[in-house]
Amino acid sequence: QKEVEQNSGPLSVPEGAIASLNCTYSDRVSQSFFWYRQYSGKSPELIMSIYSNGDKEDGRFTAQLNKASQYVSLLIRDSQPSDSATYLCATDSGGSNYKLTFGKGTLLTVNP
Amino acid sequence: NAGVMQNPRHLVRRRGQEARLRCSPMKGHSHVYWYRQLPEEGLKFMVYLQKENIIDESGMPKERFSAEFPKEGPSILRIQQVVRGDSAAYFCASSPRRTNEKLFFGSGTQLSVL
Repeated sequence: QKEVEQNSGPLSVPEGAIASLNCTYSDRVSQSFFWYRQYSGKSPELIMSIYSNGDKEDGRFTAQLNKASQYVSLLIRDSQPSDSATYLCATDSGGSNYKLTFGKGTLLTVNP
Repeated sequence: NAGVMQNPRHLVRRRGQEARLRCSPMKGHSHVYWYRQLPEEGLKFMVYLQKENIIDESGMPKERFSAEFPKEGPSILRIQQVVRGDSAAYFCASSPRRTNEKLFFGSGTQLSVL
């Protein structure tokens, strides 16, 4: 069973701080990695994708990938209360080009 | 440009009844993917369909579950003889081509089985 593991949280940070979300995956074949944001009762929304080792920055978000350690992370700088949501880590399933394996998600709360 | 539309938003069924969940993909999208989110669990892939074809149903339970995506109309996920364990949020996503890189998810159908 290929798995994606995330700390379930909740992770609580003050407004303006850096939120760090972590994810490990078991399938070494995986090549594509994604972070989705899901507000309570809403649909998942893609916020970052990363395919190569290293960092990828998009606004206040930075995704980090280390394939040797099978580790993906998401940093949110200058956290805002509107960032409060569940963050889902996902990988391609066995290198599939259409199927995703998701972690259970980490609940982030940003306190004003 | 309307997003992925799912209905109903909430569906309540008694054990043994049938549940039909509908998903209308974004305009121009011919690929549909269904995922299930059980309480305290991550999203789990169920089935991938392209117009009139089931491409991969490896995530579907072997019994009671079926899916279709006809030439005209929405994709339908059908659950026969529902049990309490079927209670979950069912999300569909669509894309213009086979991909997992940019999926647009609908708002989901929350199925509750009494």
